[in-house]
Amino acid sequence: GAGVSQSPSNKVTEKGKDVELRCDPISGHTALYWYRQSLGQGLEFLIYFQGNSAPDKSGLPSDRFSAERTGGSVSTLTIQRTQQEDSAVYLCASSLETGPLHFGNGTRLTVT
Amino acid sequence: AQSVTQLGSHVSVSEGALVLLRCNYSSSVPPYLFWYVQYPNQGLQLLLKYTTGATLVKGINGFEAEFKKSETSFHLTKPSAHMSDAAEYFCAAKPATGNQFYFGTGTSLTVIP
Repeated sequence: GAGVSQSPSNKVTEKGKDVELRCDPISGHTALYWYRQSLGQGLEFLIYFQGNSAPDKSGLPSDRFSAERTGGSVSTLTIQRTQQEDSAVYLCASSLETGPLHFGNGTRLTVT
Repeated sequence: AQSVTQLGSHVSVSEGALVLLRCNYSSSVPPYLFWYVQYPNQGLQLLLKYTTGATLVKGINGFEAEFKKSETSFHLTKPSAHMSDAAEYFCAAKPATGNQFYFGTGTSLTVIP
């Protein structure tokens, strides 16, 4: 079956522009997570959705970052007024209530 | 709060040698435990998981891990390394209640021909 799909796979943007990153989770997965992975670093938790609600937004680094999930499915992560330090790979993962995470291949964001 | 420690950010082994990647977790209540592998320019792929039951867990690609409650460890092993095993490996823990996953900082495995 289809896995977690993320788009775009690569995004180059100029400093100060807004970007939207999309995640299509595995059908039926109620939980959805966003992580950030900087070059050579581990995973930084950003936000967790259960259905359409986000009970845990504690990892969002600043108010320039926001995310939403609609229909219990697709999620978008929006970064406003991008900065060079936002350059990273943004990973989305989904899971069943008690299952392991299933990851997409990520969106590589480069801010020039 | 839960934390996961991976000893050794870089591990090198010769092809055919034993692979041992270490993971320790901190919790008074054993969590669910996972190992993931990440190949270049890809997301993380689940290697194996421990939830309950048998403490020796077998995963894909010949990997296995043993849950040792007394040592709060979940080390990953493979008897004989292949060149294709070169990748980044992440250990993760999830409390039995709650939805947060806690990841280690990763171990980069190099396989020397």
